[in-house]
Amino acid sequence: QVTLRESGPALVKPTQTLTLTCTFSGFSLSTTGMCVSWIRQPPGKALEWLARIDWDDDKYYSTSLKPRLTISKDTSKNQVVLTMTNMDPVDTATYYCARYITTRPSFDFWGQGALVTVSS
Amino acid sequence: QSVLTQPPSVSAAPGQKVTISCSGSRSNIGNNFVSWYQQLPGTAPKLLIYENNKRPSGIPDRFSGSKSGASATLGITGLQTGDEADYYCACATWNSSLSSGVFGGGTKLTVL
Repeated sequence: QVTLRESGPALVKPTQTLTLTCTFSGFSLSTTGMCVSWIRQPPGKALEWLARIDWDDDKYYSTSLKPRLTISKDTSKNQVVLTMTNMDPVDTATYYCARYITTRPSFDFWGQGALVTVSS
Repeated sequence: QSVLTQPPSVSAAPGQKVTISCSGSRSNIGNNFVSWYQQLPGTAPKLLIYENNKRPSGIPDRFSGSKSGASATLGITGLQTGDEADYYCACATWNSSLSSGVFGGGTKLTVL
């Protein structure tokens, strides 16, 4: 079955760079149409899509956050990595990774989420 | 501020029907598929509807989706207390390497 799991630091300081890893199983990111996205949710607020990486290494970023985001993949390890620079307290959120299939446009499987707090 | 507009909250009694709207524009909902997600308290979102009106395996037919023009609607019939959750619509445009406003602002469903 398809599973995704986010990992990374629970606490980062302002101005630091956040690195999150999504480790998945049950599908391959080398299969045509497969993609992984990162989505975040500040406490009590709505979902916010951040970035997406595709099987062919195409990348998509949130217009507002693009300068701070980098998404990459390691197909052999079944991992997708998101880095976000210059972290600020407003970036405190639960960060989710989710699978996205282009032939059935939707985020069909989600990780459990990783809470990241930005505080000095 | 999302480009997909949802009502902040809706409520209905157990057994009743409720609808949740998602309003966008021709450039997003008007020309792309809509999906819907249920987020129970303290859990990750779960896919309810994809391609406007299709249900993944395991989603009961009490949940339905529709789309007309630049708006979409999620319907839930036979409401149960376990349906109390936040519901999000999503519609992404991938015309370039950038995208925005993928998710609506969410609607909190209260089953009275």
